[in-house]
Amino acid sequence: DVQLVESGGGLVQPGRSLRLSCAASGFSFDDYVMHWVRQAPGKGLEWVSGISSSSGTIVYADSVKGRFTISRDNAKNSLYLQMNSLRAEDTALYYCAKIRTAMITWGAFDIWGQGTMVTVSS
Amino acid sequence: DIQMTQSPSTLSASVGDRVTITCRASQSISSWLAWYQQKPGRAPKLLIYKASTLESGVPSRFSGSGSGTDFTLTISSLQPDDFATYYCQQYNSYSTFGQGTKVEIK
Repeated sequence: DVQLVESGGGLVQPGRSLRLSCAASGFSFDDYVMHWVRQAPGKGLEWVSGISSSSGTIVYADSVKGRFTISRDNAKNSLYLQMNSLRAEDTALYYCAKIRTAMITWGAFDIWGQGTMVTVSS
Repeated sequence: DIQMTQSPSTLSASVGDRVTITCRASQSISSWLAWYQQKPGRAPKLLIYKASTLESGVPSRFSGSGSGTDFTLTISSLQPDDFATYYCQQYNSYSTFGQGTKVEIK
């Protein structure tokens, strides 16, 4: 089965850092662009960041640019999100998501993980 | 940045009703639009991509239409499993989601 499993969330104080991971299985991970999408409690979906299959193209939402870093390790079929200088408004459920079509940067997300919760609070 | 506006925010309907949700983009996105269904405590599920292409395994009562700036998601006959929140997403330039439409039981 195609699957994405996120981990690394938790409670963190404002200004601190956290690293999220997403383990992929059931598909050729290195053929697909991967993204992070978040959802604040009771709110809608917000795209956060994306990374191409070779890591040559990386994009961020303005709300996280300069604070978050996306990366991937194709040998480990894993996606990461390093989050620094965290703010209360970063509190959300963070999903990793797979683009539906191989080698395409922007597209519909056909596979989502279950999400990992990040709470930023003192 | 491209903004996506969905309407209505909430929709009350009965089983068997025909339901239409609208999504409007702040600028043309061609047909680069997807629709998702999300139930409480669950990840979003892809229903439609490229404005009108049904994802594999999605019931045919779901359909999408539109191009440019105006798009619709239609559920031809609402089923009990369809009560959920629906989001549109543009992927013409980066990615933006609409604010969501909650379909609730009337």
